[in-house]
Amino acid sequence: DSGVTQTPKHLITATGQRVTLRCSPRSGDLSVYWYQQSLDQGLQFLIQYYNGEERAKGNILERFSAQQFPDLHSELNLSSLELGDSALYFCASSSSGAPNEQFFGPGTRLTVL
Amino acid sequence: SQQGEEDPQALSIQEGENATMNCSYKTSINNLQWYRQNSGRGLVHLILIRSNEREKHSGRLRVTLDTSKKSSSLLITASRAADTASYFCATDTDRGSTLGRLYFGRGTQLTVWP
Repeated sequence: DSGVTQTPKHLITATGQRVTLRCSPRSGDLSVYWYQQSLDQGLQFLIQYYNGEERAKGNILERFSAQQFPDLHSELNLSSLELGDSALYFCASSSSGAPNEQFFGPGTRLTVL
Repeated sequence: SQQGEEDPQALSIQEGENATMNCSYKTSINNLQWYRQNSGRGLVHLILIRSNEREKHSGRLRVTLDTSKKSSSLLITASRAADTASYFCATDTDRGSTLGRLYFGRGTQLTVWP
């Protein structure tokens, strides 16, 4: 158990819909990262938050957004869903110090029908 | 594009044998990490090697890093059926304010037969 929790475990929805994925980092970790894992793209970094502030952006679509709240949990919002958004979405957290060892949650499997 | 690329894509061995997986990357790194993923589950951090280190051990795992060749290898000795999983290398390359994101390869699928 990494100490990172994600909800829900599975999500099945239709095209055009909007969903919210939630992540609670390990106790004390200030950084939260979101990754998408799909068969064709592999594991792709989406976005990073550090202590409530956006720190880095990767291959995140404009239809996707995220935020980190004062209690450090984070949410990833996916809107206008398309079939190609079906993937595993992982959240990871790390402490503020280097080196950057990241601890991953169990993931949310999103299926868009 | 992916920063790290693992080789081979798939590896099938018998229990007790050693498994070696390789990773090549493109740009300079702060550190390189290896992760393991059981089918459809979360990634588990295995080992981290810094750019100024050449070799690191953790239990049955041995990682080497050659920054001149931009490559790393992960050796699992005396493999067990429970080692069956996908193994990913991830590089930490950013500097300054964007420090932190990891770039993952496609992974090596290891199957260990009893």
